[in-house]
Amino acid sequence: LAKTTQPISMDSYEGQEVNITCSHNNIATNDYITWYQQFPSQGPRFIIQGYKTKVTNEVASLFIPADRKSSTLSLPRVSLSDTAVYYCLVGVGAAGNKLTFGGGTRVLVKP
Amino acid sequence: ETGVTQTPRHLVMGMTNKKSLKCEQHLGHNAMYWYKQSAKKPLELMFVYNFKEQTENNSVPSRFSPECPNSSHLFLHLHTLQPEDSALYLCASSEGTGIYGYTFGSGTRLTVV
Repeated sequence: LAKTTQPISMDSYEGQEVNITCSHNNIATNDYITWYQQFPSQGPRFIIQGYKTKVTNEVASLFIPADRKSSTLSLPRVSLSDTAVYYCLVGVGAAGNKLTFGGGTRVLVKP
Repeated sequence: ETGVTQTPRHLVMGMTNKKSLKCEQHLGHNAMYWYKQSAKKPLELMFVYNFKEQTENNSVPSRFSPECPNSSHLFLHLHTLQPEDSALYLCASSEGTGIYGYTFGSGTRLTVV
């Protein structure tokens, strides 16, 4: 699986937009980009996935430039409950089907 | 509730005890996984099962013994653990292909004393 690099932590305030950028320079042609959210003492939860351009759902948006060597998760108007660790993963299903997590980005939303 | 249920939620065990963690999913997924999450460390993949067959053992010590009797159930049998094995143990399932669609349970917080 392609290695990813993302900031260790970010602080924000309620109502602001949070953008987390993930670098994945050696992304392969078949790889998808997936983001997970994890609250303390819980398992990660799937947020969004994309291959190229922009993907939006009710929780977040994912922006992927044409070269696909990075991606940005955008959380609009965050609230205190969005405080969590956000993981960027890159890969594709194949024999093994294993998710390899990096350190993630710890987002702290302040009042 | 995510669709993946883990029991117990918390477990305290001595180093000479034998205990088992249970994971159950009724999502129709074919693959199941055990992950370990220690304090301030990334999630570590331990085992992968695909259609009840173990396809990955990520150099896990033999004091951890997985069992997958069917596609819906996964166990992690524990014996003679060490204090450094204290961690959050997470079970996940997926449809078997693609890194999307992974559903995690809430985990078992294990403390070895």
